[in-house]
Amino acid sequence: VQLQESGPGLVKPSETLSLTCLVSGGSADSYFWSWIRQPPGKRMEWIGDIYYNGSTNYNPSLKSRVTISIDKSKIRFSLKVTSVTAADTAMYFCARFFPGDEAFDIWGQGTTVTVSS
Amino acid sequence: DIVMTQSPLSLPVTPGEPASISCRSSQSLLHTIGFNYVDWYLQKPGQSPQLLIYLGSVRAPGVPDRFSGSGSGTDFTLKISRVEAEDVGVYHCMQALESPYTFGQGTKLEIK
Repeated sequence: VQLQESGPGLVKPSETLSLTCLVSGGSADSYFWSWIRQPPGKRMEWIGDIYYNGSTNYNPSLKSRVTISIDKSKIRFSLKVTSVTAADTAMYFCARFFPGDEAFDIWGQGTTVTVSS
Repeated sequence: DIVMTQSPLSLPVTPGEPASISCRSSQSLLHTIGFNYVDWYLQKPGQSPQLLIYLGSVRAPGVPDRFSGSGSGTDFTLKISRVEAEDVGVYHCMQALESPYTFGQGTKLEIK
């Protein structure tokens, strides 16, 4: 299984950040699919996840601005962050969470998003 | 949220020498089923993180046996028995006991 993020690298302040993660080489079933970000010089931050059945769980620090969805074919999942500011500038990763191992066993390569006018 | 604190933040090591990274959590990560819900990841330069250790001490598939994880409760350690040049990068610990999952600050290992 491989993951590949895609989306705009530059977003204007107050607009919506939208990213997609393509799941290739396997099924989305029975796993949790997460978004994680790493602001420059800061620790990684878990944004939230979606189970293959569509149930979601978000980091309370971002919950009011974040939506994670999964498409019907379950081969891609998406992240939307509304009302972005410079604090949302980060490398964004999608990752698969393996229940039982309780770990992120597969990661995308990451995509850099800069919030700037 | 559970706070994860790593030390040291920078770790210069001579090839062939051992290395050790500490990770402390603000609350116990010992699950009722007996496993510690802590993972270790290595982020090599220019790459995404890769899983090294899960459930505190289980090596992920393909991870060399020079890497080992230990500890319980709130204190955890990642050890590299003999550092190789390919081990450079940033090591992150992460707790998976409760949402939101949280990470340590990262420890940058460099070769002397």
